[in-house]
Formats: sequence, C-alpha cells, structure tokens
Amino acid sequence: KNEVEQSPQNLTAQEGEFITINCSYSVGISALHWLQQHPGGGIVSLFMLSSGKKKHGRLIATINIQEKHSSLHITASHPRDSAVYICAVRSMGASGSRLTFGEGTQLTVNP
Amino acid sequence: NAGVMQNPRHLVRRRGQEARLRCSPMKGHSHVYWYRQLPEEGLKFMVYLQKENIIDESGMPKERFSAEFPKEGPSILRIQQVVRGDSAAYFCASAASQETQYFGPGTRLLVL
Repeated sequence: KNEVEQSPQNLTAQEGEFITINCSYSVGISALHWLQQHPGGGIVSLFMLSSGKKKHGRLIATINIQEKHSSLHITASHPRDSAVYICAVRSMGASGSRLTFGEGTQLTVNP
Repeated sequence: NAGVMQNPRHLVRRRGQEARLRCSPMKGHSHVYWYRQLPEEGLKFMVYLQKENIIDESGMPKERFSAEFPKEGPSILRIQQVVRGDSAAYFCASAASQETQYFGPGTRLLVL
C-alpha cells in the first residue's frame, strides 16, 4: 500500500462543475502539498498546508490531520484546469524535507 | 526573480553514455531536491542537497547515479553508463528552507 493514496485516479467534468480530489496518507507528516502538472510536464506548487484550509482563487485545499486526509476543491471548473493534480506529503523525521507523492489524479474538464 | 532553471530540457543518450543534468535554484534558495518521474508512474524522491552537502540520498540508485551542489554553480545530477530504464523526466525543486518547494521544468532523458 502506498503511503499516499489519491482518488479518483481519473476525473472528467463539465465546465462549471465543482470538483473534489481526495488524498489520504498513512505516515506522520509535517506538511502536505498539492501540485499541478500540465500536459507539457511542468509542475506548479498550488498549496502547502499543515492544518485547516487555504484558498487561492477558485482553488481550496483542506486538511484533517487527525484523519490523515486532505481534499482539493475546484469551484466553477474550466477547461484550462485540465491537468494532473498530485498530492505530496513531507514526512516527519531527520530527513523531514523529502516529499512522498501520490500517483496523481488526471482531471479533464470539457467545455 | 527567475524561477528554477533546468537544462537541458531534452537529452538523448545512447546506452553506456553519461548524462549530466543541471539545476539552477531560485535566487536565495540553498536547498535542492531531485525527483524522477518514470513513464506512466508518479514522482519519486531521489536526493536532497544543501550547498556542498548531501543531506538525504536515500532515493538514489546505488550505482551509476551521483549528485552534487557546489558552492558556486548549479546542482548536477550525473548518470553514468545510462541504460534504457533511466529514460524518465527528472525534476529538480528548490527551497529557501524546509518549506515550499518550487519546481523546475524538468529534463526529459531518452536513452536509445
């Protein structure tokens, strides 16, 4: 079992829909990251959070440390949101900076 | 403030050759991470360096792979005697501390 599990693996939505991507992890963490990887391959860091909720534009990320679960929400989705969304955790410990990644969620938003 | 730079963006090597991948962190960042993304797989940690020091290399293959981050100049990921299984996208990320990591555009290595 992977330390970081994402669901769903693939998600297709119509423009304007509210989207939720889930991430569960099994290790103690100091922070959780949400990343976006576009078809060209570049990776953008969307959020880093260790508690509560963060919002940036149409994106919202939440984390529940007790339940070891995080969600990424996209409101009013748009075709340009189509990308792979990756959850990554930074483990506690001596080498606490290394990131462990989920397999990613492929999101396709149709016009 | 330029972002993380990686070069080359694409690299083609024949089996047995050496591959050298470069990463210039963002200005002011002294932490560099290398990650590998094999075809159809997720990202995997390889190595974490600070200036002139390897902090964590637990994700590096035991042979043929090495990394450095000298006092001056970019971080280098070196792969000796490449094999087809080394074909992947190699990303570096930099950070000012143990906080948000900023990713470079990646180097796509193809081994023929």
